[in-house]
Amino acid sequence: QVQLKESGPGLVQPSQTLSLTCTVSGFSLTSNSVHWVRQPPGKGLEWMGGIWGDGSTDYNSALKSRLSISRDTSKSQVFLKMNSLQTDDTAIYFCCNWFAYWGQGTLVTVSS
Amino acid sequence: DVVLTQTPVSLSVTLGDQASISCRSSQSLEYSDGYTYLEWYLQKPGQSPQLLIYGVSNRFSGVPDRFIGSGSGTDFTLKISRVEPEDLGVYYCFQATHDPYTFGAGTKLELK
Repeated sequence: QVQLKESGPGLVQPSQTLSLTCTVSGFSLTSNSVHWVRQPPGKGLEWMGGIWGDGSTDYNSALKSRLSISRDTSKSQVFLKMNSLQTDDTAIYFCCNWFAYWGQGTLVTVSS
Repeated sequence: DVVLTQTPVSLSVTLGDQASISCRSSQSLEYSDGYTYLEWYLQKPGQSPQLLIYGVSNRFSGVPDRFIGSGSGTDFTLKISRVEPEDLGVYYCFQATHDPYTFGAGTKLELK
């Protein structure tokens, strides 16, 4: 069945770069899109960006200058990198298969 | 960016009641291909969002038929007939017609 799982550091220092990995199974990255969505504690959902089956990417314009999404199809992994982190980037980060199947999310805290 | 306005912000119901949530968009959500990329999600406490409805009115796999989505253009509604305990949580509408994709702020469904 379709599964996604996020992994990465739980704590990142301000101004540093966040690197997250989404490991997927049950579907092919070359024929499905994977998106990243984040949710600050107690708040709503924000679409960050995604990578399509052909490898092209789309980013939320609010994050575009800091965000990069890539993948390794041989490992069934999608990567998120976001630089210049601030405290308001503290959130649960989810990856999802075209918003139909979601990972459990990973909490990232930005703090010194 | 497209703004999705959900009303009410919270909704108190008795089990077995009907509940109705509105989602109004600042722009038409009909894409150039004729499809309307409007989805509804339920997020239970401590869990990832789960897809209920896609394309305005199509129930996702395994979603009970008491969930009914309707609407067109800029006005959309999710109705839940005969609310059950597992229906409690926060409901979000979401649009993927216009970039950046956006979520509504959420409607909390709770017991009266």
